[in-house]
Amino acid sequence: DAGVTQSPTHLIKTRGQQVTLRCSPKSGHDTVSWYQQALGQGPQFIFQYYEEEERQRGNFPDRFSGHQFPNYSSELNVNALLLGDSALYLCASSSHTEAFFGQGTRLTVV
Amino acid sequence: KNEVEQSPQNLTAQEGEFITINCSYSVGISALHWLQQHPGGGIVSLFMLSSGKKKHGRLIATINIQEKHSSLHITASHPRDSAVYICAVKSSGDKLTFGTGTRLAVRP
Repeated sequence: DAGVTQSPTHLIKTRGQQVTLRCSPKSGHDTVSWYQQALGQGPQFIFQYYEEEERQRGNFPDRFSGHQFPNYSSELNVNALLLGDSALYLCASSSHTEAFFGQGTRLTVV
Repeated sequence: KNEVEQSPQNLTAQEGEFITINCSYSVGISALHWLQQHPGGGIVSLFMLSSGKKKHGRLIATINIQEKHSSLHITASHPRDSAVYICAVKSSGDKLTFGTGTRLAVRP
């Protein structure tokens, strides 16, 4: 089992562009959460998907949107990128008893 | 005030020392995670606790629900233990709220 896989691992985008990040959860996990980790900070909760619906959302603007597919994989989309969106984006999948994290996608906005 | 506070923020130890990292939280939780993050970003879940104590190798995690406090102990520390250790609490739904982490450096 590959655990949680994220793609791409690194990405450079220009201000104003749009980006899509992808996450495949650990086998058997149906809940996917996305987090943003700025340099030197702890991760901040963006949103969580369960059964293809956004179940919870953190304090992030509508520029951040997501999707979950029937196979439980998920995408995070960010529109109108700002320099401040540069961060490590982490995906976590969970069941009732465990949580696993991906290696993250490091997004740099220039 | 953050909902999850960790101490210390930075810790330097000599190889072989016993290390303790503390986590206090202010919200009701259903579980608490201790996580390890190495340079490059990937996070590894070390423990998930809802009560008592868990041990895995040289790592021990304890939680006191009444006092809203948890500790992570590393016995016989080794340079490969050098990493950022993060406490995260599971509160409403499955959302995790993270502390800012403790940066540990173990010197040979």
